[in-house]
Formats: sequence, C-alpha cells, structure tokens
Amino acid sequence: GDSVTQMEGPVTLSEEAFLTINCTYTATGYPSLFWYVQYPGEGLQLLLKATKADDKGSNKGFEATYRKETTSFHLEKGSVQVSDSAVYFCALSGKGNTPLVFGKGTRLSVIA
Amino acid sequence: GAVVSQHPSRVICKSGTSVKIECRSLDFQATTMFWYRQFPKKSLMLMATSNEGSKATYEQGVEKDKFLINHASLTLSTLTVTSAHPEDSSFYICSAREVSSGHLDEQFFGPGTRLTVL
Repeated sequence: GDSVTQMEGPVTLSEEAFLTINCTYTATGYPSLFWYVQYPGEGLQLLLKATKADDKGSNKGFEATYRKETTSFHLEKGSVQVSDSAVYFCALSGKGNTPLVFGKGTRLSVIA
Repeated sequence: GAVVSQHPSRVICKSGTSVKIECRSLDFQATTMFWYRQFPKKSLMLMATSNEGSKATYEQGVEKDKFLINHASLTLSTLTVTSAHPEDSSFYICSAREVSSGHLDEQFFGPGTRLTVL
C-alpha cells in the first residue's frame, strides 16, 4: 500500500539556520503531496501542497518540490525562526475518496 | 479557507462514562470526514472514515462498538467514546473533505479534542 517515510526527529536548530526535512513516498499512480504543521496542543494545519510532478508548494518561507523521479517531497526553509518550532508531517493523498497517508512526523525545535 | 471545528476542545470524564465529540465543517459541505487518534509525540492513527448517510468504515483494530461514529449531515460528524477507560485518553482529531472538486484531495483538520479519562 501507499506509505510515507520522513526523517526521524527531533531536529534542533539555531534561529536563522537552514532547514531540510526529508520525505519520500511509495504510491501507485500520481498522488498529491502535502506538508502539515502541528503546533503544541493544536490540530494540523496545511502548510503547503503539490498536486503533480515538478510542482513546488510554498508558504511562509517553506518550500517543497514534488520530485517524481526520486519519489520525494523534501521540506526546506532558508532561515528558521523560534516560532517555527512544531511537528511537521508529510502526507500523500491518492485519487478518489481515500484518507491521507501520513509520515510519522518530525519534531523541530528552534532555539534563539 | 475551509474551517473545521471540534467541540469540546478538552474533556475530562470518569471511567465508565460516555463522551461525545462533535466535528463540524463551518463553511463547506463534507462528503467524508475522518477520525484520527494521536498519542503523545506520535503520528496520527486513522480510526475510521465517515460518509454522510452511511455507516462508518473502521480501520483494523478499532472497536466500532466502542467508538460510535454518526455522520448525520454534510456538516456534522460525531464520535462517541462509550464506556471510556483511562487507556482511551488521547488527542482525537477529525478532518473533512470538501464536496466540490476544487480541493478534492485535500483534507481540512479540526483543532482536536483532548480526552482524559480518570
């Protein structure tokens, strides 16, 4: 079945450091890919998405490019802030009415 | 953007009682709603898929008689934890998928409900 693998955390960075969180997927067909963010004690918020190969999703300084050839959707940000501290989930959605398939999440802590 | 609400946000109950959690899509109609459970510092575990007007589809290992799901309208789904026990304590999150095709593969998440069973 479909699956998502993302790098294990926790990741601890200093403010203004460069962030990469790796995400790879296994799926039949051409899924849509998502990054969700969960701040402490809250639900999930969509951070960005890409629906086809070579699409780049971006939001709040975060970017991820849908790479079909490497089945990857790595999340990047050039300069992280303390307020970016959260758990980040990579997810995919197949066609039809199937639920999202989530990775295990990566906890990011940014220190001043 | 599409908004999903959950009520209550927190609930504490005694062992053996039942708790109902509501999930509402506020500005769109949802053909399908999903219920997840999240343990501390863990990923989301899909419990069931709820389609309006039909029975929910439960994931393997989820007791359908314990976790009752009702999707009575296109904007409301409820999860009732029956005869709750301390091991049911968790963070429950719902999500909804919009009827219209604009965001067919996107799910919108509620803020979650933290259940504590004493």
